[in-house]
Amino acid sequence: SYVLTQPPSVSVAPGQTARITCGGNNIGSKSVHWYQQKPGQAPVLVVYDDSDRPSGIPERFSGSNSGNTATLTISRVEAGDEADYYCQVWDSSSDLFYVFGTGTKVTVL
Amino acid sequence: QVQLQESGPGLVKPSQTLSLTCTVSGGSISSGGYYWSWIRQHPGKGLEWIGYIYYSGSTYYNPSLKSRVTISVDTSKNQFSLKLSSVTAADTAVYYCARVCRGSSSDDYFDYWGQGTLVTVSS
Repeated sequence: SYVLTQPPSVSVAPGQTARITCGGNNIGSKSVHWYQQKPGQAPVLVVYDDSDRPSGIPERFSGSNSGNTATLTISRVEAGDEADYYCQVWDSSSDLFYVFGTGTKVTVL
Repeated sequence: QVQLQESGPGLVKPSQTLSLTCTVSGGSISSGGYYWSWIRQHPGKGLEWIGYIYYSGSTYYNPSLKSRVTISVDTSKNQFSLKLSSVTAADTAVYYCARVCRGSSSDDYFDYWGQGTLVTVSS
């Protein structure tokens, strides 16, 4: 089945930019969606269709997708952005339709 | 605003059947256009998709769980349910229900989630 690989952790100082990658074979041909999960809470959709934001999600969250890597970018990082982030794709070519990435813990220094 | 809420026992004995219900408010399951899904997360681990159902009753399951999973829908109560049989300690996880939304490229994502419920499998 399709595999999505994320770095286990990313550390960033407040006010700086965090970039979280999601690697997959020709992932650029798929739509990538991103979720934020804070401790003890359910995941929240922060980016869908590579780069669109649901209503209520700050413009600081943006996404891109090309080749074998998709990226979630968090600009002007705040303490409240500290969370786990997961990428997700829909893989119609396999029996497992919905594939999640391994997750990245973002730590705000 | 669509809201989902899981309910069910927090403790299940090994070999028994785990049963959870998701109640949807702020929108009707029977209006169509969306699939309704179950996802789980083992303690300290990532997300695993379990399966989904359409209001018509059409289902699709994760192949690794297919032999043990049944998802059903009750449109009169605006609920859908999960049954996972023959559970073991490996099924201990937080179980989420979520709405599946189809994106602009016909790729699906999960736009609304329940708060999740921890189910522990133990004697």
